[in-house]
Amino acid sequence: AAGVIQSPRHLIKEKRETATLKCYPIPRHDTVYWYQQGPGQDPQFLISFYEKMQSDKGSIPDRFSAQQFSDYHSELNMSSLELGDSALYFCASSSGHSNQPQHFGDGTRLSIL
Amino acid sequence: QKEVEQNSGPLSVPEGAIASLNCTYSDRGSQSFFWYRQYSGKSPELIMSIYSNGDKEDGRFTAQLNKASQYVSLLIRDSQPSDSATYLCAVNPGGGSYIPTFGRGTSLIVHP
Repeated sequence: AAGVIQSPRHLIKEKRETATLKCYPIPRHDTVYWYQQGPGQDPQFLISFYEKMQSDKGSIPDRFSAQQFSDYHSELNMSSLELGDSALYFCASSSGHSNQPQHFGDGTRLSIL
Repeated sequence: QKEVEQNSGPLSVPEGAIASLNCTYSDRGSQSFFWYRQYSGKSPELIMSIYSNGDKEDGRFTAQLNKASQYVSLLIRDSQPSDSATYLCAVNPGGGSYIPTFGRGTSLIVHP
Protein backbone atom coordinates (compact mmCIF):
# COMPACT_ATOMS: atom_id res chain seq x y z
CA ALA A 1 0.00 0.00 0.00
CA ALA A 2 1.15 3.53 -0.70
CA GLY A 3 2.66 5.34 2.24
CA VAL A 4 3.53 8.89 3.14
CA ILE A 5 6.41 10.12 1.00
CA GLN A 6 8.85 12.68 2.31
CA SER A 7 11.71 14.39 0.53
CA PRO A 8 14.54 14.84 0.83
CA ARG A 9 15.56 12.01 3.17
CA HIS A 10 18.65 13.85 4.31
CA LEU A 11 19.50 17.54 4.18
CA ILE A 12 22.59 19.38 5.31
CA LYS A 13 22.45 23.13 5.70
CA GLU A 14 24.49 25.85 7.33
CA LYS A 15 23.29 28.34 9.91
CA ARG A 16 21.06 31.11 8.60
CA GLU A 17 20.23 29.17 5.41
CA THR A 18 16.74 28.12 4.36
CA ALA A 19 15.28 24.67 3.78
CA THR A 20 12.10 23.25 2.29
CA LEU A 21 10.78 19.84 3.23
CA LYS A 22 8.09 18.14 1.20
CA CYS A 23 5.41 15.65 2.15
CA TYR A 24 3.05 13.64 -0.05
CA PRO A 25 0.27 12.05 2.01
CA ILE A 26 -1.30 8.66 1.49
CA PRO A 27 -3.79 8.89 -1.38
CA ARG A 28 -7.21 10.12 -0.23
CA HIS A 29 -5.78 11.37 3.06
CA ASP A 30 -6.71 15.00 3.46
CA THR A 31 -4.97 15.85 6.71
CA VAL A 32 -1.23 16.39 7.10
CA TYR A 33 0.77 16.84 10.28
CA TRP A 34 4.38 17.94 10.78
CA TYR A 35 6.52 16.81 13.70
CA GLN A 36 10.04 17.49 14.90
CA GLN A 37 11.90 14.81 16.82
CA GLY A 38 15.21 15.37 18.53
CA PRO A 39 17.44 12.50 19.74
CA GLY A 40 15.77 10.56 22.53
CA GLN A 41 12.70 12.77 22.39
CA ASP A 42 9.10 12.06 21.53
CA PRO A 43 7.75 13.69 18.37
CA GLN A 44 6.85 17.34 18.92
CA PHE A 45 3.86 18.55 16.96
CA LEU A 46 4.52 21.57 14.79
CA ILE A 47 1.48 22.23 12.61
CA SER A 48 -1.32 20.48 10.74
CA PHE A 49 -3.55 21.07 7.74
CA TYR A 50 -6.99 19.77 6.89
CA GLU A 51 -8.40 20.30 3.43
CA LYS A 52 -5.64 22.80 2.64
CA MET A 53 -6.37 24.98 5.65
CA GLN A 54 -4.29 25.16 8.81
CA SER A 55 -6.14 23.18 11.43
CA ASP A 56 -3.87 23.15 14.48
CA LYS A 57 -0.66 24.86 15.46
CA GLY A 58 1.86 23.52 17.91
CA SER A 59 5.37 24.55 18.80
CA ILE A 60 6.35 25.77 15.36
CA PRO A 61 8.89 28.61 15.45
CA ASP A 62 7.99 31.85 13.70
CA ARG A 63 10.94 31.17 11.34
CA PHE A 64 9.02 28.20 9.97
CA SER A 65 5.96 28.22 7.77
CA ALA A 66 3.98 25.54 6.03
CA GLN A 67 1.15 25.07 3.61
CA GLN A 68 -0.92 22.37 1.99
CA PHE A 69 -1.49 22.52 -1.73
CA SER A 70 -4.44 21.62 -3.92
CA ASP A 71 -3.07 18.10 -4.46
CA TYR A 72 -2.84 17.73 -0.65
CA HIS A 73 0.92 17.62 -0.55
CA SER A 74 2.50 19.88 2.05
CA GLU A 75 5.72 21.82 2.35
CA LEU A 76 7.50 22.99 5.48
CA ASN A 77 9.63 26.06 4.87
CA MET A 78 12.37 26.79 7.36
CA SER A 79 14.38 30.00 7.38
CA SER A 80 17.28 31.43 9.39
CA LEU A 81 18.23 27.92 10.37
CA GLU A 82 19.85 27.42 13.74
CA LEU A 83 21.97 24.61 15.13
CA GLY A 84 19.03 23.60 17.34
CA ASP A 85 16.92 22.90 14.28
CA SER A 86 18.93 19.75 13.63
CA ALA A 87 16.42 16.94 14.05
CA LEU A 88 14.27 14.39 12.30
CA TYR A 89 11.22 15.97 10.71
CA PHE A 90 8.29 13.69 10.19
CA CYS A 91 5.17 14.21 8.20
CA ALA A 92 2.09 12.16 8.96
CA SER A 93 -1.26 11.92 7.24
CA SER A 94 -4.71 10.75 8.17
CA SER A 95 -8.15 10.50 6.66
CA GLY A 96 -10.32 13.33 7.82
CA HIS A 97 -9.97 15.63 10.76
CA SER A 98 -10.98 12.84 13.11
CA ASN A 99 -9.87 10.16 15.52
CA GLN A 100 -8.30 8.14 12.73
CA PRO A 101 -4.66 7.23 13.37
CA GLN A 102 -1.80 9.08 11.78
CA HIS A 103 0.55 7.32 9.41
CA PHE A 104 4.09 8.60 9.33
CA GLY A 105 6.51 9.10 6.50
CA ASP A 106 10.15 8.02 6.72
CA GLY A 107 11.20 11.49 7.75
CA THR A 108 13.80 14.03 6.72
CA ARG A 109 17.00 14.18 8.73
CA LEU A 110 18.08 17.81 8.84
CA SER A 111 21.60 18.60 9.95
CA ILE A 112 22.70 22.17 10.53
CA LEU A 113 26.44 22.80 10.42
CA GLN B 1 -1.20 20.25 30.72
CA LYS B 2 -2.34 16.97 29.26
CA GLU B 3 0.20 14.25 29.91
CA VAL B 4 0.97 10.78 28.68
CA GLU B 5 3.35 8.83 30.85
CA GLN B 6 5.41 5.81 29.99
CA ASN B 7 8.24 4.06 31.76
CA SER B 8 11.31 4.81 29.67
CA GLY B 9 12.82 1.39 30.36
CA PRO B 10 14.64 -0.36 29.00
CA LEU B 11 12.34 -3.31 29.43
CA SER B 12 14.33 -6.47 28.80
CA VAL B 13 12.58 -9.77 28.09
CA PRO B 14 13.82 -13.10 26.76
CA GLU B 15 12.81 -14.28 23.32
CA GLY B 16 9.44 -16.01 23.41
CA ALA B 17 8.23 -14.21 26.52
CA ILE B 18 5.36 -11.75 26.85
CA ALA B 19 6.36 -8.09 26.91
CA SER B 20 3.99 -5.76 28.74
CA LEU B 21 4.14 -2.05 28.03
CA ASN B 22 2.08 0.45 29.99
CA CYS B 23 0.89 3.98 29.47
CA THR B 24 -1.16 6.33 31.65
CA TYR B 25 -2.82 9.54 30.58
CA SER B 26 -4.21 12.53 32.42
CA ASP B 27 -7.06 13.73 30.19
CA ARG B 28 -10.26 11.89 31.12
CA GLY B 29 -11.92 13.08 27.94
CA SER B 30 -9.43 11.26 25.71
CA GLN B 31 -11.13 9.40 22.90
CA SER B 32 -8.60 7.36 20.98
CA PHE B 33 -5.38 5.61 21.77
CA PHE B 34 -2.54 4.39 19.61
CA TRP B 35 0.62 2.36 19.94
CA TYR B 36 3.52 3.06 17.59
CA ARG B 37 6.76 1.17 17.22
CA GLN B 38 9.85 3.18 16.39
CA TYR B 39 13.24 1.77 15.51
CA SER B 40 16.21 4.05 16.11
CA GLY B 41 16.41 6.74 13.45
CA LYS B 42 13.23 5.54 11.77
CA SER B 43 9.69 6.81 11.71
CA PRO B 44 6.92 5.71 14.09
CA GLU B 45 4.95 2.78 12.72
CA LEU B 46 1.35 2.29 13.80
CA ILE B 47 0.79 -1.03 15.54
CA MET B 48 -2.59 -0.72 17.22
CA SER B 49 -5.51 1.65 17.60
CA ILE B 50 -8.04 1.23 20.39
CA TYR B 51 -11.09 3.33 21.10
CA SER B 52 -13.22 1.47 23.67
CA ASN B 53 -12.61 -0.27 26.95
CA GLY B 54 -11.38 -3.82 26.85
CA ASP B 55 -8.93 -5.79 24.80
CA LYS B 56 -8.14 -5.64 21.11
CA GLU B 57 -6.00 -8.33 19.56
CA ASP B 58 -4.05 -8.27 16.31
CA GLY B 59 -1.67 -11.14 15.77
CA ARG B 60 0.90 -11.19 18.56
CA PHE B 61 -0.22 -7.79 19.81
CA THR B 62 -3.00 -7.04 22.29
CA ALA B 63 -3.97 -3.54 23.33
CA GLN B 64 -5.88 -3.08 26.57
CA LEU B 65 -7.77 0.06 27.49
CA ASN B 66 -9.23 1.02 30.85
CA LYS B 67 -10.69 4.51 30.68
CA ALA B 68 -11.78 4.51 34.32
CA SER B 69 -8.21 3.96 35.43
CA GLN B 70 -6.80 6.02 32.56
CA TYR B 71 -4.33 3.50 31.30
CA VAL B 72 -3.65 1.69 28.10
CA SER B 73 -1.27 -1.19 27.69
CA LEU B 74 0.30 -3.22 24.91
CA LEU B 75 1.11 -6.89 25.26
CA ILE B 76 3.48 -8.55 22.82
CA ARG B 77 3.30 -12.33 22.89
CA ASP B 78 6.12 -14.59 21.74
CA SER B 79 8.51 -11.64 21.70
CA GLN B 80 11.17 -11.70 19.00
CA PRO B 81 14.50 -9.88 18.82
CA SER B 82 13.02 -7.91 15.90
CA ASP B 83 10.49 -6.45 18.36
CA SER B 84 13.35 -4.58 20.03
CA ALA B 85 12.43 -0.94 19.54
CA THR B 86 10.91 2.04 21.30
CA TYR B 87 7.14 1.86 21.73
CA LEU B 88 5.29 5.14 21.77
CA CYS B 89 1.88 5.56 23.32
CA ALA B 90 -0.21 8.31 21.71
CA VAL B 91 -3.47 9.66 23.06
CA ASN B 92 -5.97 11.85 21.20
CA PRO B 93 -7.64 14.29 23.55
CA GLY B 94 -11.32 14.97 23.45
CA GLY B 95 -12.92 18.33 22.77
CA GLY B 96 -12.50 18.29 19.01
CA SER B 97 -8.70 18.16 19.01
CA TYR B 98 -7.13 15.39 16.96
CA ILE B 99 -3.51 16.12 17.71
CA PRO B 100 -2.20 13.22 19.77
CA THR B 101 -0.05 13.65 22.81
CA PHE B 102 2.87 11.25 22.68
CA GLY B 103 4.55 9.58 25.60
CA ARG B 104 8.33 9.59 25.74
CA GLY B 105 8.32 5.91 24.76
CA THR B 106 9.44 2.66 26.36
CA SER B 107 12.56 0.98 25.06
CA LEU B 108 12.05 -2.77 24.66
CA ILE B 109 14.95 -5.18 24.34
CA VAL B 110 14.23 -8.79 23.44
CA HIS B 111 17.31 -10.91 23.98
CA PRO B 112 17.83 -14.34 22.38
